Amino acid sequence: GQNIDQPTEMTATEGAIVQINCTYQTSGFNGLFWYQQHAGEAPTFLSYNVLDGLEEKGRFSSFLSRSKGYSYLLLKELQMKDSASYLCAVKGGDSNYQLIWGAGTKLIIKP
Amino acid sequence: DGGITQSPKYLFRKEGQNVTLSCEQNLNHDAMYWYRQDPGQGLRLIYYSQIVNDFQKGDIAEGYSVSREKKESFPLTVTSAQKNPTAFYLCASSMGAGGPQGEQFFGPGTRLTVL
Repeated sequence: GQNIDQPTEMTATEGAIVQINCTYQTSGFNGLFWYQQHAGEAPTFLSYNVLDGLEEKGRFSSFLSRSKGYSYLLLKELQMKDSASYLCAVKGGDSNYQLIWGAGTKLIIKP
Repeated sequence: DGGITQSPKYLFRKEGQNVTLSCEQNLNHDAMYWYRQDPGQGLRLIYYSQIVNDFQKGDIAEGYSVSREKKESFPLTVTSAQKNPTAFYLCASSMGAGGPQGEQFFGPGTRLTVL
C-alpha cells in the first residue's frame, strides 16, 4: 500500500530550530514535496526533492534519503508566523499526476 | 495577477441537493485537480484532469462529478449520492507532471457544509 507518516503535532520556541520528519512507503518514487498550510488557507509550496541530499532555501531546508524512504524539513530562526501545518507529499502512485499526501504536522511556535 | 480562484469561500446546502463548486485558473496550466481535506487526514484526490475534455477519477470519486470544457475551468459537482459531503474542498493546478513542473498551486478553498 501507499503510506506517508508525519508526527501529528510539534511545539518549538521562537528563534529556535525544528526538524519535521516524513517517512514514506510507496510503490514508486518520482519526487517529494513539502507544503505549508496556515489554518483555513490553501497549501503553499516550500520545496521539492528528487535526489538524495539537502536542498536549502533561506530559513527552510529539506533533506531526502530515497534508500530510507525518509525526508525532513528543517526550519531555522523560527518566527511566530511559522505556526502552521506542514504537509509532506510524494509522487509515487500509478499516475505521475497523483501525489500521495501525509496528514500534516501542526507546528506550534511559542514566544 | 496569475492564480487560482474558487468561489464561494463558504457554502451551505441542504441534504439531498446537488451543489457545484467553481475553480478558475489563469496560470495557463494544463493539469487541474480537486481535493478534499478533512481534519486529521491528508489531502484526498477526487478527480484530476491532464488536459481539456479529459479527466480521471482519483481515490474518492464516488458521489462527485467534474467537467473540463475549457483549460481555465474545472468545476466540481457534489451530488446527493456523496454520503458525507461536509468538508474543505481545494482546487489545484500544475504546469505538467514531471519534476518540479509537478508543483501544484492551490486555490483558497471552499468550505462546504451540508445541513
